[in-house]
Amino acid sequence: NAGVMQNPRHLVRRRGQEARLRCSPMKGHSHVYWYRQLPEEGLKFMVYLQKENIIDESGMPKERFSAEFPKEGPSILRIQQVVRGDSAAYFCASSPGQGPLGEQFFGPGTRLTVL
Amino acid sequence: EDKVVQSPLSLVVHEGDTVTLNCSYEVTNFRSLLWYKQEKKAPTFLFMLTSSGIEKKSGRLSSILDKKELFSILNITATQTGDSAIYLCAVRPNNDMRFGAGTRLTVKP
Repeated sequence: NAGVMQNPRHLVRRRGQEARLRCSPMKGHSHVYWYRQLPEEGLKFMVYLQKENIIDESGMPKERFSAEFPKEGPSILRIQQVVRGDSAAYFCASSPGQGPLGEQFFGPGTRLTVL
Repeated sequence: EDKVVQSPLSLVVHEGDTVTLNCSYEVTNFRSLLWYKQEKKAPTFLFMLTSSGIEKKSGRLSSILDKKELFSILNITATQTGDSAIYLCAVRPNNDMRFGAGTRLTVKP
């Protein structure tokens, strides 16, 4: 049973380009969460999705960032017109069901560097 | 605003020492508190705590929650160099998790 998979593991973009980060949850998990970790900071919640639905996007910046989790395929975190401040590690986590007691399983992360 | 505060931010000890990491929180709707260990990549799950006063134990690691005083501690006894990592505390109010900034533990040989 493969764990949470993220790709790419490393992504380099120039300012103004778009970044697409992919996350495949663990088999049987239909809940996906995205987190951002800035250097020397803790993980910060961005968005929580179920298949075809955004449940909670209270941690997403209002502009340039979007997320989706289609019926088929991985969840995508999309950052348009990247800026240097977007450089960070982006982690995806999945859980088997809704409910505050369930733990989340983390992927290895995508390290985004904006030049 | 929900808040999770970890202390100390960093800690350097020698092998064999015992360490205590602290996590205090203020959230509007507490459900559970989780501890993670983060080395070079993804955080790995250590403990989930929901009830006060019940110690969870795994080898040399243990953790306990105090819901009245709103904090948790993570203890590591007989530390080893492999324990060097960032230890993250997270609180689940509902759908998401609020993380603390982490404690960076360095264990020297």
